[in-house]
Amino acid sequence: GENVEQHPSTLSVQEGDSAVIKCTYSDSASNYFPWYKQELGKRPQLIIDIRSNVGEKKDQRIAVTLNKTAKHFSLHITETQPEDSAVYFCAASRGAGKSTFGDGTTLTVKP
Amino acid sequence: DGGITQSPKYLFRKEGQNVTLSCEQNLNHDAMYWYRQDPGQGLRLIYYSQIVNDFQKGDIAEGYSVSREKKESFPLTVTSAQKNPTAFYLCASSPRTGLQPQHFGDGTRLSIL
Repeated sequence: GENVEQHPSTLSVQEGDSAVIKCTYSDSASNYFPWYKQELGKRPQLIIDIRSNVGEKKDQRIAVTLNKTAKHFSLHITETQPEDSAVYFCAASRGAGKSTFGDGTTLTVKP
Repeated sequence: DGGITQSPKYLFRKEGQNVTLSCEQNLNHDAMYWYRQDPGQGLRLIYYSQIVNDFQKGDIAEGYSVSREKKESFPLTVTSAQKNPTAFYLCASSPRTGLQPQHFGDGTRLSIL
């Protein structure tokens, strides 16, 4: 089955800096890669996603890049703010509603 | 206000007891999912349903059961066969089959007495 590894497990940055979280996957048939943000004590929220026919997608301060050859994808957050502090999860899916999640990255943005 | 409602927020289970976690959605979504979240780990899929009266096992279905008699409801039963049930359980939905979960509930935290 699919295996998703996420790094780093914790990340601390100064407000205004950029943050990058990387995930690798094992199943070359995976074709959909969502990212979720989970604030402390709250539900996960889908923040951005990318499909295998696209190399990069951007939404304001958030971007995701995908390298199918190397089987990795990354979340980039620019101009970080304290409210970006949360646990971020990546996932990989080959469809039919089944996603495999990474173990999460705890991002702390220091004011 | 559309969304997913999970209840209860906290649940305690005695040994040998089955407990049922409720998940209701008013988003008119076709697909619903149950995930288990353990500390320091990602979400693991227990069961999912893409249409009423149909559901499939996820990666860790042993010791759990579900039903999907109505589109808006997808209850999860944690049976006594699940020997390590202590975890945070999340229900999710997506508008149609084949899509990944887009909306999550607030979760139910299950503990053993």
